[in-house]
Amino acid sequence: GENVEQHPSTLSVQEGDSAVIKCTYSDSASNYFPWYKQELGKRPQLIIDIRSNVGEKKDQRIAVTLNKTAKHFSLHITETQPEDSAVYFCAASNFNKFYFGSGTKLNVKP
Amino acid sequence: NAGVTQTPKFQVLKTGQSMTLQCAQDMNHNSMYWYRQDPGMGLRLIYYSASEGTTDKGEVPNGYNVSRLNKREFSLRLESAAPSQTSVYFCASSETFGNQPQHFGDGTRLSIL
Repeated sequence: GENVEQHPSTLSVQEGDSAVIKCTYSDSASNYFPWYKQELGKRPQLIIDIRSNVGEKKDQRIAVTLNKTAKHFSLHITETQPEDSAVYFCAASNFNKFYFGSGTKLNVKP
Repeated sequence: NAGVTQTPKFQVLKTGQSMTLQCAQDMNHNSMYWYRQDPGMGLRLIYYSASEGTTDKGEVPNGYNVSRLNKREFSLRLESAAPSQTSVYFCASSETFGNQPQHFGDGTRLSIL
C-alpha cells in the first residue's frame, strides 16, 4: 500500500522567513496531492492541492511543487506570519486510496 | 451551507458504554470518512463509505461500526467504549472517493473514563 512520509515533524521559523515542508510517497499510481492546515483545536482545512499533470501551483504566499520521478512534493510558505502557525498535513491519493502524512507543526516566531 | 456537521461536539463516557457519533453533509458528496486523531498525532482512517450503500474498513477499524444511513449521513458507533478510544473524531466528505479534496467537520472530543 501507499506510504507517505512527511518531514520535518516540527519547524520553527522567524516571521518573514520561508518555510518548506516535504513529503514522499511510494505508490506511483498516486495522482492527487492536497495539503491541509490544522490550527489548534480546529478542523483540518485544505489550503492547496496539486494533481500529477502539474509540476507547480501557487496561491499567494503558498506554493506546492511535485516531482513525480522522485515521488516527492513540497509545501512552500513565503513571508511567514504568526497566523501561519499550525500543523500541516500532506496527503497522497489515487482513485481508490487516500493517505495522510504524520504532520508538521510549524511555529512562526514574531 | 453548513458543510459537514458532527454531533455531539463533546462527550464523556464510562468504560463499556455505547455511543453513536453522528455526521451529516449538505454538499451532495458521494464519499464520507471517519478519522480519529490522538493528541499530537496525525489522522488515522477508521472507516469510509465510497458511495451510498457501501462501507469499508480503514487503518484502525477495531472496536467501531459504521452506518451509511443515506447519502447525507454517516454514523460511527462504539459498541463497548474503552479508554484507548479516547480521541478526537473527525468526519469528512468528498465529491468522489480518492483523488478529491476532503471537507472536515469540527470534530467530536470523546473521553472514556
